Amino acid sequence: EVQLVESGGGLVQPGGSLRLSCAASGFTFSSYEMNWVRQAPGKGLEWVSYISSSGSTIYYADSVKGRFTISRDNAKNSLYLQMNSLRAEDTAVYYCARDIYGGNSGKAYWGQGTLVTVSS
Amino acid sequence: SYELTQPPSVSVSLGQMARITCSGEALPKKYAYWYQQKPGQFPVLVIYKDSERPSGIPERFSGSSSGTIVTLTISGVQAEDEADYYCLSADSSGTYVVFGGGTKLTVL
Repeated sequence: EVQLVESGGGLVQPGGSLRLSCAASGFTFSSYEMNWVRQAPGKGLEWVSYISSSGSTIYYADSVKGRFTISRDNAKNSLYLQMNSLRAEDTAVYYCARDIYGGNSGKAYWGQGTLVTVSS
Repeated sequence: SYELTQPPSVSVSLGQMARITCSGEALPKKYAYWYQQKPGQFPVLVIYKDSERPSGIPERFSGSSSGTIVTLTISGVQAEDEADYYCLSADSSGTYVVFGGGTKLTVL
């Protein structure tokens, strides 16, 4: 069974940093592209970042470019999101997700999400 | 930056047909995916590659594409279909993945 478990969320002050982790299990992590998606309270879904299976290709939404860094450790079956210079508008539930776009199997997998609150 | 446009809300009577549209310049070249999200839950894929239905998704869910508009159709809407629906696609370069703003489906 595919499982994605996010951790690392919490309360942080504006301008601060936070590192999110996503522990993957139930599949060969190193074979799959991964994404981070966020959802502000009461708002819609927003794609944040993409990383290829090897980590060689990375994309970011304009709203986080230059402040967030996605990475992965295939040996540890883990995905990360380093978030710096955090702003109030970064407050959201952050989801780790697999196969949300481009998949051919009709299966997409999401974690339960971790809440990040940016406030003084 | 690339945008996908959805109506904020759609209302339909129980048992009737609901149509939710999503428009974007790159949709003629890029597939659309549709997600259903209920309060407090993570999104569930209901349509992929414009019109394919994942296993386990009821047959009343279907998708279509015409030019710059893709449409999610729910035939014979049930009470449990009340949810937020999001389209997802990519810009023409494939660099940016974008969600539509979401459509709240209300079943009357």
